[in-house]
Amino acid sequence: EDQVTQSPEALRLQEGESSSLNCSYTVSGLRGLFWYRQDPGKGPEFLFTLYSAGEEKEKERLKATLTKKESFLHITAPKPEDSATYLCAVQAGGSYIPTFGRGTSLIVHP
Amino acid sequence: DAGVTQSPTHLIKTRGQHVTLRCSPISGHKSVSWYQQVLGQGPQFIFQYYEKEERGRGNFPDRFSARQFPNYSSELNVNALLLGDSALYLCASGPGGQETQYFGPGTRLLVL
Repeated sequence: EDQVTQSPEALRLQEGESSSLNCSYTVSGLRGLFWYRQDPGKGPEFLFTLYSAGEEKEKERLKATLTKKESFLHITAPKPEDSATYLCAVQAGGSYIPTFGRGTSLIVHP
Repeated sequence: DAGVTQSPTHLIKTRGQHVTLRCSPISGHKSVSWYQQVLGQGPQFIFQYYEKEERGRGNFPDRFSARQFPNYSSELNVNALLLGDSALYLCASGPGGQETQYFGPGTRLLVL
């Protein structure tokens, strides 16, 4: 059974204080790993898709990396508007269905 | 381009009633998936449709059903509502079902 564990559950940062969110996974043949951002009461907003170990993608202050067992979402010099829940999902080879983690709730204080 | 749209945005029902939620995918997307998200948890997969055929079903009771129309829009139906069905229901669309999915804003369902 595919499993996705995100840590920490919650993270509080000061504006400008860089940090990383972790997504560890167990899947039979990774087809893709997805990062989403979700604001309260809204649908998840797509951030990145990673396909193979060693791959990295960047968008503004966010950088996602992937190894064979985990992915990191690095947040550089965060701003209060980066406050949200960040969701990780994995899709196994041959499956059409992503499995989501429970998310990391990030709060960035000004 | 318009994103995924869902209707209604909010809904209040009582136990035992039936509800229909609607979703329109991004133009050109042929795959639609439905998820249930309760507070503090990640989305839980309910159904996926591709080219009007069911391609996946999550661990939900038969009270939940869905369908996809020729224009690729979709409906999620839930019968005999329970208090535990209160959640944010999310629709996501994708080009072909095996790629990145893009989510709509969700429908907030409250069952009293």
